[in-house]
Amino acid sequence: SAVISQKPSRDICQRGTSLTIQCQVDSQVTMMFWYRQQPGQSLTLIATANQGSEATYESGFVIDKFPISRPNLTFSTLTVSNMSPEDSSIYLCSGQLGGPGAEAFFGQGTRLTVV
Amino acid sequence: AQSVTQLGSHVSVSEGALVLLRCNYSSSVPPYLFWYVQYPNQGLQLLLKYTTGATLVKGINGFEAEFKKSETSFHLTKPSAHMSDAAEYFCAVSDLEGFQKLVFGTGTRLLVSP
Repeated sequence: SAVISQKPSRDICQRGTSLTIQCQVDSQVTMMFWYRQQPGQSLTLIATANQGSEATYESGFVIDKFPISRPNLTFSTLTVSNMSPEDSSIYLCSGQLGGPGAEAFFGQGTRLTVV
Repeated sequence: AQSVTQLGSHVSVSEGALVLLRCNYSSSVPPYLFWYVQYPNQGLQLLLKYTTGATLVKGINGFEAEFKKSETSFHLTKPSAHMSDAAEYFCAVSDLEGFQKLVFGTGTRLLVSP
């Protein structure tokens, strides 16, 4: 199994500013993902964080708005840039050990409120 | 592309009653299917998963699910609900074509009354 530590757990930010969320895994994971969970809704994948290369973004998400770093197999960051109230959401990172069908482990999430 | 449909955004049961949460999936290749639970203000925790082999899979906390290919379903059940089961439940699918990305259903909130 893997334990994922995510911080901050919550933040209140001014519009126009940026917030970087950190995700630390206690094991080397092959795949890491960043999700957004808007209030009362399901999880939407933002991007796959690739170690040593650019992240792969899903439709509707762009690198300029959500830059992602993954310098090694245990750490990743997601930045929410130039925030607006519409970015208020829970952001979750996850990591997967092993190949197809492997369990995904999740961080506790970051509850972001933009005012 | 994969997709997941969860019927019923809310399900209410009495303590001790059967829990049935429905999940149907779409995948053009053999799927990997998961049920996750999310308690308030927490991340997601895996309940159980199906990859290959036995179609009835047992998970934690007394939950189980059956993969039915002919019905493209993976419904979650528990014979007797407990108050502590109240949470949000998500069904998810991944497959090799989707590069192991999880696609989640919209979730079902389980309410358990005394």
